[in-house]
Amino acid sequence: QQQVKQSPQSLIVQKGGISIINCAYENTAFDYFPWYQQFPGKGPALLIAIRPDVSEKKEGRFTISFNKSAKQFSLHIMDSQPGDSATYFCAASRQAGTALIFGKGTTLSVSS
Amino acid sequence: EPEVTQTPSHQVTQMGQEVILRCVPISNHLYFYWYRQILGQKVEFLVSFYNNEISEKSEIFDDQFSVERPDGSNFTLKIRSTKLEDSAMYFCASSGSGNGYTFGSGTRLTVV
Repeated sequence: QQQVKQSPQSLIVQKGGISIINCAYENTAFDYFPWYQQFPGKGPALLIAIRPDVSEKKEGRFTISFNKSAKQFSLHIMDSQPGDSATYFCAASRQAGTALIFGKGTTLSVSS
Repeated sequence: EPEVTQTPSHQVTQMGQEVILRCVPISNHLYFYWYRQILGQKVEFLVSFYNNEISEKSEIFDDQFSVERPDGSNFTLKIRSTKLEDSAMYFCASSGSGNGYTFGSGTRLTVV
């Protein structure tokens, strides 16, 4: 119930391509779904987040798509750049102040 | 931009020794958290802290762990008797009334 399942584990994309990472959850009490970007030796940095009352949110090259009935959400990175090469984590939480549950992460490599 | 500050960045300790990891959360945040990331694995929730008490903890957060907010700015994680398997990156995070969790850069704990 507390798990967030993330796929793929790793992803290689050509520069300029679209990177897509998927996540699924079970707990319908989750109402906050962020994506974090992590570079080696650094802490996770919030990239973009969505709540279940919207189906899509876009910030620059990053878009979250959210399917409440399927309990799935995904991150799309448009025009992927070598600087986007990092580990991406999806996560979910209930109300403010509760545990943020992370997926296992996706290592993205963007080749130039 | 406000930051969560963690010290030290790297700590090496002998097995069985006590360690204290320190964090300065964002000043107007209400909720404080500790997370752990074993090398190459996902970020795992340890504990959340609100209004000077633990509000939620995971199975990982057993009796060898404790947290404290000794003054108005610091938030600490103590591990009483370290084991080899405690070697990991430890991240402090804080959030306000919303769900925006901000993570520090982490402390790499190496138990030898």
